[in-house]
Amino acid sequence: GAGVSQTPSNKVTEKGKYVELRCDPISGHTALYWYRQSLGQGPEFLIYFQGTGAADDSGLPNDRFFAVRPEGSVSTLKIQRTERGDSAVYLCASSFSGDTGELFFGEGSRLTVL
Amino acid sequence: DQQVKQNSPSLSVQEGRISILNCDYTNSMFDYFLWYKKYPAEGPTFLISISSIKDKNEDGRFTVFLNKSAKHLSLHIVPSQPGDSAVYFCAASASTGNQFYFGTGTSLTVIP
Repeated sequence: GAGVSQTPSNKVTEKGKYVELRCDPISGHTALYWYRQSLGQGPEFLIYFQGTGAADDSGLPNDRFFAVRPEGSVSTLKIQRTERGDSAVYLCASSFSGDTGELFFGEGSRLTVL
Repeated sequence: DQQVKQNSPSLSVQEGRISILNCDYTNSMFDYFLWYKKYPAEGPTFLISISSIKDKNEDGRFTVFLNKSAKHLSLHIVPSQPGDSAVYFCAASASTGNQFYFGTGTSLTVIP
């Protein structure tokens, strides 16, 4: 499709497990963002890629969280040793250049850590 | 530290009337503002934006007003329609940075 695609749409895991969430941005969009949305909150910034490099990872909460975008297109958010507090909807967004402009969001990956 | 605030978690409006959603921000470096609309189980979708060089931007039924001195913006929807029922997020960014900061959202219900 033409939009931002995120998989899986739902992921249930046990505390301590490793999780990968995938984002396929809109073709041609060089900027890619990961956000996290907890219940009753707005999206919270995690990391921003411009091309292959993480231009700003200041929003990653701790070193259990890591994201890659090796070819400048698909990105994977990796969470090690998951905790119950990691439960949230993880949103990916892309934009044409990363300059101020609208972000196109995917439908999100809902992560539940039991 | 919430840099973008939406103090009304919910709003109900009669169909055909005006909906006014409010947003306040604290960071004077913010110079670009956006409104997103979100339906359940979907990602946010862009609605309208405004740059700090303007104080008003209009797109059909949607108008965003920016008051820089008060660090306040508002989204007006007129006339409101039942399909407008959704959660609306205000977001802000600074041209010197890469992050978009979101408010906590306002859930709008338009009553037929």
